[in-house]
Amino acid sequence: AQSVTQPDIHITVSEGASLELRCNYSYGATPYLFWYVQSPGQGLQLLLKYFSGDTLVQGIKGFEAEFKRSQSSFNLRKPSVHWSDAAEYFCAQIREADKLIFGTGTRLQVFP
Amino acid sequence: EADIYQTPRYLVIGTGKKITLECSQTMGHDKMYWYQQDPGMELHLIHYSYGVNSTEKGDLSSESTVSRIRTEHFPLTLESARPSHTSQYLCASSDSGQGTYEQYFGPGTRLTVT
Repeated sequence: AQSVTQPDIHITVSEGASLELRCNYSYGATPYLFWYVQSPGQGLQLLLKYFSGDTLVQGIKGFEAEFKRSQSSFNLRKPSVHWSDAAEYFCAQIREADKLIFGTGTRLQVFP
Repeated sequence: EADIYQTPRYLVIGTGKKITLECSQTMGHDKMYWYQQDPGMELHLIHYSYGVNSTEKGDLSSESTVSRIRTEHFPLTLESARPSHTSQYLCASSDSGQGTYEQYFGPGTRLTVT
């Protein structure tokens, strides 16, 4: 069965530090991959997506992600974290019939 | 501005009550979805619709039901609420014509059944 794994449940970084959130997806010839962010009490907002082409994709709020087929990974990065980035981050993959399968999420805390 | 709305945002209700969670979108999207999210857990698809009069059950078994009588409206109903239904419910929509598979999410309804 297809699955999405986010190994890190909780990450804490200092403001201004770099960030990398890990995501591994299961087998898929052409994976359609997404990163969403969820602020407390809110719905999910799309940060970026990958379908094909350039393996480094740029998103909103200064985030980027790199698709690595050899590692089945789609890690999210940001060079300098802001306090407002504190939130829950979900990696997701499209499976059949346009359904999304989500990872368990990574909670990001940012210290001043 | 196109958007997706959910009401109520928070609901505390007693066991045995019938409840309906509302979801509406103004984007003209044909596909709509309901997800259930427990704290610290991933989202699980409980219902989806590919268009008017189309509804299907998702991966996670749910005692709730849905209807899609109008394109913009996708309400979820629980005939008899139980404490096990306490969770956050998120509605989403997407446009199959775009081919991007991007889903747009509402703010969610946090349901507590006492």
